[in-house]
Amino acid sequence: AQTVTQSQPEMSVQEAETVTLSCTYDTSESDYYLFWYKQPPSRQMILVIRQEAYKQQNATENRFSVNFQKAAKSFSLKISDSQLGDAAMYFCASSTGANSKLTFGKGITLSVRP
Amino acid sequence: KAGVTQTPRYLIKTRGQQVTLSCSPISGHRSVSWYQQTPGQGLQFLFEYFSETQRNKGNFPGRFSGRQFSNSRSEMNVSTLELGDSALYLCASRYRGQNTEAFFGQGTRLTVV
Repeated sequence: AQTVTQSQPEMSVQEAETVTLSCTYDTSESDYYLFWYKQPPSRQMILVIRQEAYKQQNATENRFSVNFQKAAKSFSLKISDSQLGDAAMYFCASSTGANSKLTFGKGITLSVRP
Repeated sequence: KAGVTQTPRYLIKTRGQQVTLSCSPISGHRSVSWYQQTPGQGLQFLFEYFSETQRNKGNFPGRFSGRQFSNSRSEMNVSTLELGDSALYLCASRYRGQNTEAFFGQGTRLTVV
């Protein structure tokens, strides 16, 4: 079974600054994928970034990057140059190579101060 | 390309009734998954359908069921509604399998009174 833990329920960041959202996971599988999803007030989940466990290089998508520490089972999201539109709930999630089911963490509410 | 469409967006039902929610995936996508989102339990996987067959199922009672049609559209049914079934129900579609990105709809907000 997979578990995903997000221990910080809320975070706040000043516009233009950098913030890191934490996530830890547990899985017995060797083939798995990790994701960060954003859920704005519109409720639609949007994929921010994904990481394949077999890739050592950390994934990057524009202002979003991850710090994937496989041995520590840690998968944090860094948002650089934070913008007001980044304010949302962020969910860390995992799935295995054999099972497309997504296992989500509880989420973190990110607010951005102008 | 149209996104994932869920209907209706909002629904109010009475305890004991049944409800059917609909999800139209992105054109060409064959996998449809359903998730329940509540403040207390977070996001929980209900089931996944691929090419009209249930491929995976979460830990929900038998009152929760689903199906997928030949055009990949999916419906989810909840019978004998309970107050605890009040939630946001999200549908996600994938082109094919596990390694492809899941695209989510905006969800159906179900309130049971």
